[in-house]
Amino acid sequence: DTEVTQTPKHLVMGMTNKKSLKCEQHMGHRAMYWYKQKAKKPPELMFVYSYEKLSINESVPSRFSPECPNSSLLNLHLHALQPEDSALYLCASSQEGQLIFGSGTRLTVV
Amino acid sequence: ILNVEQSPQSLHVQEGDSTNFTCSFPSSNFYALHWYRWETAKSPEALFVMTLNGDEKKKGRISATLNTKEGYSYLYIKGSQPEDSATYLCALGADKLIFGTGTRLQVFP
Repeated sequence: DTEVTQTPKHLVMGMTNKKSLKCEQHMGHRAMYWYKQKAKKPPELMFVYSYEKLSINESVPSRFSPECPNSSLLNLHLHALQPEDSALYLCASSQEGQLIFGSGTRLTVV
Repeated sequence: ILNVEQSPQSLHVQEGDSTNFTCSFPSSNFYALHWYRWETAKSPEALFVMTLNGDEKKKGRISATLNTKEGYSYLYIKGSQPEDSATYLCALGADKLIFGTGTRLQVFP
């Protein structure tokens, strides 16, 4: 299995909802990432997990809460989001410097 | 703030044409340069990771060169095909990738 799988592909949520984005890889990669991409902008790093520990948090608001339950799974818990948080959320994993991306979750906050 | 720039922003070419585009970056503190190909509704696909000045990499009709001293990388596509239509992103770094805004390529039959 050489893929990073993200679910759901699309998500619409209200500003008072709590939801989670999921990411899974079975390549044995020890680093996993969350990126956020808004229209016509480059992807921006949010979080990096290395060996299941959070190693980089790019000053992301606490309404985004990452979790790495095991070496294959990465979650992003969402609570009290704002409409400006609507974006494509990309997960990636890496080994030896090359990132493999999932196809993303398109999130709309209403 | 690290700035990675790509040009042109978009490019329209005829099938069979060869094309190239540029990624520019600060030459200080260079670690690695990545190229990705991103088709709509799909995952960004890793094309190349380049680390050494003068590196040249090739994958089929696509090749890339790297000049870390002057801070640029070129991506070349020989004999473009409609299936090459995608956004081509470069990114600088290792764990923390800084992406350029991409070059959107459209190849017309």
